[in-house]
Amino acid sequence: QKEVEQNSGPLSVPEGAIASLNCTYSDRVSQSFFWYRQYSGKSPELIMSIYSNGDKEDGRFTAQLNKASQYVSLLIRDSQPSDSATYLCAVNGYNQGGKLIFGQGTELSVKP
Amino acid sequence: DTEVTQTPKHLVMGMTNKKSLKCEQHMGHRAMYWYKQKAKKPPELMFVYSYEKLSINESVPSRFSPECPNSSLLNLHLHALQPEDSALYLCASSDRGGSYNEQFFGPGTRLTVL
Repeated sequence: QKEVEQNSGPLSVPEGAIASLNCTYSDRVSQSFFWYRQYSGKSPELIMSIYSNGDKEDGRFTAQLNKASQYVSLLIRDSQPSDSATYLCAVNGYNQGGKLIFGQGTELSVKP
Repeated sequence: DTEVTQTPKHLVMGMTNKKSLKCEQHMGHRAMYWYKQKAKKPPELMFVYSYEKLSINESVPSRFSPECPNSSLLNLHLHALQPEDSALYLCASSDRGGSYNEQFFGPGTRLTVL
């Protein structure tokens, strides 16, 4: 089993819809969870971090964490074509010295 | 200044060349990272420096040699690389090297080994 799993996509949503991106992780003691957005040919950009169970909202983005289910998700409300990118889920385990384990990424396409 | 900068943006080198990649941050961060990213794959951690000391080496071949001259600078020295080393090399920094620290990436150096 991979340490961090994401659906590779592509996930296609119409403009204005909610995009839902999902991630599961295998290390039960993982402590911190991050979502990065990566446009083609560019470097990853941090868009959300979440450390405790529940929801965390920032503008159009909501991250959700459920440690019991080992599941983290990212919701993008009112999706825009500019949101089309690959979204990387990253997990940092207990006492891992900052080592991030990335999922394979989900490619999101927002159609006008 | 909230940026991580990397130079050069692009680098083409032969297998017998020696070159260096440079990374700089002025956010006062005390942890810096090198990642390698191949096309359509996620970044893979290579090295972590925490408080200017190498804290993680992910069994990277010795043809890659990291150096942290001070808390703002990180270098990656390259020697006798192979064509399969062609990739996007990303530098990142975080406040400290622990589990709760957000990592911020530079724009990367796209390396081609001929």
